[in-house]
Amino acid sequence: QSALTQPPSASGSPGQSVTISCTGTSSDVGNYAFVSWYQQYPGKAPKLMIYEVTKRPPGVPDRFSGSKSGNTASLTVSGLQAEDEADYYCSSYAGSNNYVFGTGTKVTVV
Amino acid sequence: EMQLVESGGGLVQPGGSLRLSCAASGFTFSKYGLHWVRQAPGNGLEYVSAISANGDITYYANSVKGRFIISRDNSKNTLYLQMGGLRAEDMAVYYCTSDGFDIWGQGTMVTVSS
Repeated sequence: QSALTQPPSASGSPGQSVTISCTGTSSDVGNYAFVSWYQQYPGKAPKLMIYEVTKRPPGVPDRFSGSKSGNTASLTVSGLQAEDEADYYCSSYAGSNNYVFGTGTKVTVV
Repeated sequence: EMQLVESGGGLVQPGGSLRLSCAASGFTFSKYGLHWVRQAPGNGLEYVSAISANGDITYYANSVKGRFIISRDNSKNTLYLQMGGLRAEDMAVYYCTSDGFDIWGQGTMVTVSS
C-alpha cells in the first residue's frame, strides 16, 4: 500500500486561504468516504481536524474544511493564522481494516 | 478527559524485542477498536496495526507482519504491541490512537541500534 501523495509544502499570508491536496487511488480515497486530516506540531502528537471527508470534531475552527473529488481529497484553511503553521497529514481507509496516510505537507504562514 | 498514555519504548539492539503499552482512561475502553501508528524521525505517519474492541480481529501492515503482535486487556484498559525481530527501519515514535483517530497518546520512542 503506497502512501497518499501530498505536496511537501504550502504557504500563505495571514488571512489568506491555503488548500492542500491528497491524492490516492480508486482503492482508497476514491472508494471510501473515510478521509481524515491531522495537524501536527513538531514533537507533538497528531490532532484530528477533519474526518469522513468534511466533518469537523468539536473544537476545530470552521476555518478548516475538507472536500473530495474522485481520488483526490483536499483540506482548505481559510483566514490563515500564525498558529496554523504546522504539518498536515491526510489518511484514508483502504479496505480490509487497513488505513493509509499521506506524505505530509508543511504549511508556512509567511 | 479521554486519554491514552504509551510506555515501554527505549533502546534495543537489531533483532531484539520490546513490548509497548498504551493505558487508556476517560472512556469505555472495551467498546472501541484501537490502532498503532508510527513516525520515523523526520518522516511521515505510517499505519502499523489495529485491533477490534474485543480483540478478535487484528490487522498488521506488511512491514511488520510476522514480527509484531497487537493485543489488549480490557480488564486493565491497556493496549499492547509486542515487537520482535526489530530492524533499523522500525525506529520511530509509536503512537496509540482510538477508533476514529480522535484520541492520540503522546507517543513513545523506539530506538533500534547496536
